Amino acid sequence: GAGVSQSPSNKVTEKGKDVELRCDPISGHTALYWYRQSLGQGLEFLIYFQGNSAPDKSGLPSDRFSAERTGGSVSTLTIQRTQQEDSAVYLCASSLVQGGGYTFGSGTRLTVV
Amino acid sequence: KQEVTQIPAALSVPEGENLVLNCSFTDSAIYNLQWFRQDPGKGLTSLLLIQSSQREQTSGRLNASLDKSSGRSTLYIAASQPGDSATYLCAVRLGPGVSNAGGTSYGKLTFGQGTILTVHP
Repeated sequence: GAGVSQSPSNKVTEKGKDVELRCDPISGHTALYWYRQSLGQGLEFLIYFQGNSAPDKSGLPSDRFSAERTGGSVSTLTIQRTQQEDSAVYLCASSLVQGGGYTFGSGTRLTVV
Repeated sequence: KQEVTQIPAALSVPEGENLVLNCSFTDSAIYNLQWFRQDPGKGLTSLLLIQSSQREQTSGRLNASLDKSSGRSTLYIAASQPGDSATYLCAVRLGPGVSNAGGTSYGKLTFGQGTILTVHP
């Protein structure tokens, strides 16, 4: 596609529920990243996929968070048993090559009530 | 651990002024540095990407410089306009083969906290 597409744009969920956030990167971009931006905070790295390599999961805050990338394209970030502190904007980005610049999607605003 | 600092945290200027936003980073072994713009409630828009071998990049009224050895970058905005009002973020990427105490890959960006710019008509 022309840009990085994320869905949904907004999600309100009850505490304890599971949520899935979707990212559709730019076609042909081999690298895909998830970041989180909490209110008043900077961007926090979550996970990074590069081609067929094992993902860098070092930023995932707990085992309630997981992500997968199917077919080297679309990625899904799953948060199980959501907590209020999970409320944030979740941003996805993709890059043509490891050394290239990032293109970000518009994000998913997650609110846990 | 790579740390990125942006100064000032906020800046308010009248339209037409030239201005400079500053970014500093602690680990000079970077692969590249990227400046982004973020409008309220929106994602990040890439403004300029500077590879570690480059000294500056220009796009329209924007000019970004990089002094890798001193761990600094500046974003210069000429003839500012109200439409320039946004949060400006600086982000650095470590070089290949570099890992920090966490053993993380060089793929990820480390962001500063941003500079909130307001340009008054």
